Amino acid sequence: EAQVTQNPRYLITVTGKKLTVTCSQNMNHEYMSWYRQDPGLGLRQIYYSMNVEATDKGDVPEGYKVSRKEKRNFPLILESPSPNQTSLYFCASSLSKRNTGELFFGEGSRLTVL
Amino acid sequence: KQEVTQIPAALSVPEGENLVLNCSFTDSAIYNLQWFRQDPGKGLTSLLLIQSSQREQTSGRLNASLDKSSGRSTLYIAASQPGDSATYLCAVKNNNAGNMLTFGGGTRLMVKP
Repeated sequence: EAQVTQNPRYLITVTGKKLTVTCSQNMNHEYMSWYRQDPGLGLRQIYYSMNVEATDKGDVPEGYKVSRKEKRNFPLILESPSPNQTSLYFCASSLSKRNTGELFFGEGSRLTVL
Repeated sequence: KQEVTQIPAALSVPEGENLVLNCSFTDSAIYNLQWFRQDPGKGLTSLLLIQSSQREQTSGRLNASLDKSSGRSTLYIAASQPGDSATYLCAVKNNNAGNMLTFGGGTRLMVKP
């Protein structure tokens, strides 16, 4: 089954404790991206990647890192999480590296930073 | 900077009604527009993708139209069912904004039996 898989789905952590949210897609997609969704602010893009070893900032990249060492994986790293990073995070992928086609989303990862 | 607005923010209708959800955008230089559905606690599912050269797309009971010059898109849902209850979001990809999509705030739809 074609899908985008995120882990963990739910996480509660404390300020400053590094964490990684993994994202994997099995559709051989070129383009991958991370979004956060907050009440009243909608979906905002954090980072995106057009191909292996090619990443770029979205609208709200501060406090986050990403890497794209393999085509299928695009982990989101929070080196020193803070409470304002409490949010619902989504990974998404698209076949074309320029994200010109349909965008497929993971189920989301709800992160709480205390 | 592109801004995408969806009105109304919430809508409640009885089962069987035909309904229209609206999406407007400020910059008409778009590459495409997508409509998504989001169920509570779930990710987004792509419903329809309209390229800038197209006027509409249809999938089952759903029909999406695009009027690029006026900066508007509508999602028409025919014969609504309780299973259609969800939040519907539109997103536009600009010609000149790299690879990013700009999302609207969504319309929360409830279809009552």
